[in-house]
Amino acid sequence: DAGVTQSPTHLIKTRGQQVTLRCSPKSGHDTVSWYQQALGQGPQFIFQYYEEEERQRGNFPDRFSGHQFPNYSSELNVNALLLGDSALYLCASSWLARASREQYFGPGTRLTVT
Amino acid sequence: GQQLNQSPQSMFIQEGEDVSMNCTSSSIFNTWLWYKQDPGEGPVLLIALYKAGELTSNGRLTAQFGTTRKDSFLNISASIPSDVGIYFCAGQDLDSNYQLIWGAGTKLIIKP
Repeated sequence: DAGVTQSPTHLIKTRGQQVTLRCSPKSGHDTVSWYQQALGQGPQFIFQYYEEEERQRGNFPDRFSGHQFPNYSSELNVNALLLGDSALYLCASSWLARASREQYFGPGTRLTVT
Repeated sequence: GQQLNQSPQSMFIQEGEDVSMNCTSSSIFNTWLWYKQDPGEGPVLLIALYKAGELTSNGRLTAQFGTTRKDSFLNISASIPSDVGIYFCAGQDLDSNYQLIWGAGTKLIIKP
């Protein structure tokens, strides 16, 4: 049973550039949530996708956008990168159709903005 | 962003000791989740709690959903070296619609 996978593992970008991160949910899961985790802190919720739509959004600017595909995989896009966007980006999947509140995380993508 | 109050921030323990940590919230939660995160990895779900007063175990780990629905506790019995890591609590309040709100973590360190 494949768990949550994310790509790439690490990424280095320059201020002002754009980045796309990818996530494949755990087998059988239909919902993907994205989190940003700064060093030494707990994750912060960015947004959640279900049925290819953004269901809920945290306190993040419009520079952060996402997409969910028919196979439930998801992308996180960040435009006009700032130094403060450097963080570990985590994807979590869950089974909303079963009203499951458990979220399972991937290993994350470490983004460094220089 | 909103965070839970998680304590202690860090713990230095001897192998074999029992460990306790807790999280409190200013709002009522309907779910508490406890995760462990190792360096460079994503959080791993340890225990999920869904009802006030619920007590759930996973091996040497035991967690409780506080009766006020505003707190939760995690205990680790007879700690071993692989318990080292950062433990996070995460909760869902009635209005968050599956969004997880996180504590800042408790770092567990084994004394040499």
